[in-house]
Amino acid sequence: QQQVKQSPQSLIVQKGGISIINCAYENTAFDYFPWYQQFPGKGPALLIAIRPDVSEKKEGRFTISFNKSAKQFSLHIMDSQPGDSATYFCAASMNQGAQKLVFGQGTRLTINP
Amino acid sequence: NAGVTQTPKFQVLKTGQSMTLQCAQDMNHEYMSWYRQDPGMGLRLIHYSVGAGITDQGEVPNGYNVSRSTTEDFPLRLLSAAPSQTSVYFCASSPGGFNTEAFFGQGTRLTVV
Repeated sequence: QQQVKQSPQSLIVQKGGISIINCAYENTAFDYFPWYQQFPGKGPALLIAIRPDVSEKKEGRFTISFNKSAKQFSLHIMDSQPGDSATYFCAASMNQGAQKLVFGQGTRLTINP
Repeated sequence: NAGVTQTPKFQVLKTGQSMTLQCAQDMNHEYMSWYRQDPGMGLRLIHYSVGAGITDQGEVPNGYNVSRSTTEDFPLRLLSAAPSQTSVYFCASSPGGFNTEAFFGQGTRLTVV
């Protein structure tokens, strides 16, 4: 069973637009929600992360919005750039931080110039 | 800084063969993990270790063995390779604790024919 469900599977956005990727989770014991960015041929790299005691976290053009009651969180990329084209994974874990991550299925984002 | 180093980068095995995927980290991290990445399924945890001499199973452990004799190394052994084990394998390490980042290697692409 997929404990973290991610959508959409693929997304095409024009340069300068807003990219939005959504995730939903089932296990209310999750207490750490990171997003990872992966370029072709590379391993995933941490982009931004949030704990459930805050509803939003912003780092530059990247924002996580978190809705604890709905068990959903999303990644917003403002002013999307061609260099943002990559695969994005949401993830969740409990108690142990980044040790045992449960990943979503991934979203392949393409930013058209 | 080498970070997390995985070898080999590519491998083709015949069904029934065994092999070991190597993973080494130079960050003195307590925690190390192995994930497999399959299209449309994100990354799934195979085995993990919270320190030298301590390992445990993740979501998809069948057909794989691990050991952790040193802090730096965490090899993954395929006992008798099957086509279902064709995947990209990622090793990760993290320092432990809350809000910590998992650092991933560049992956090993394994094909079992």
